[in-house]
Amino acid sequence: NAGVTQTPKFQVLKTGQSMTLQCAQDMNHEYMSWYRQDPGMGLRLIHYSVGAGITDQGEVPNGYNVSRSTTEDFPLRLLSAAPSQTSVYFCASSYTVGPGSKWTGELFFGEGSRLTVL
Amino acid sequence: GESVGLHLPTLSVQEGDNSIINCAYSNSASDYFIWYKQESGKGPQFIIDIRSNMDKRQGQRVTVLLNKTVKHLSLQIAATQPGDSAVYFCAENPSDMRFGAGTRLTVKP
Repeated sequence: NAGVTQTPKFQVLKTGQSMTLQCAQDMNHEYMSWYRQDPGMGLRLIHYSVGAGITDQGEVPNGYNVSRSTTEDFPLRLLSAAPSQTSVYFCASSYTVGPGSKWTGELFFGEGSRLTVL
Repeated sequence: GESVGLHLPTLSVQEGDNSIINCAYSNSASDYFIWYKQESGKGPQFIIDIRSNMDKRQGQRVTVLLNKTVKHLSLQIAATQPGDSAVYFCAENPSDMRFGAGTRLTVKP
């Protein structure tokens, strides 16, 4: 199993450019999420999804879009990059969460994508 | 809003000593907590979890203590090794996992 795979690992953008960070998991996890990590700020939740076709906003959603068309993939889109979006981005997944479902709680993280916006 | 935080940003210990990393939380409705370890250049990895109906849980060389009265969580690492050097995060609530800023643990040989 590859676990959670993020691409690209590094990316440099100019202000106003758009791009998509890819995230794929092969563990059949229903729950997927995106975090950004900035120095001294810890991990902040951007968007999350509890299953295909369902997404919701986290703590810092502005400037980012997501979609979940399949269980495996959860891409994060920056429509118009800004320097404030310079960060390390982590995708994570977990077992099903929901009423009646056993929630293990453990998030499996990818290796991260380092984005620099000039 | 309510947040998860940590008392100390850095901790330095001698190899072989025990380490204690603390975490304060403010959301009294939180009923599930996890500790993660993040090594340099990598994503966080699960260490141990605890539910609010417990006050202590032990793993291999690690123990998590939960004090709901004062909303405090701690991670104890026994016989700390160089490989334990990393940033440690506590996080609360599985559906909208919020992380603290992290504590950097450095193990001196």
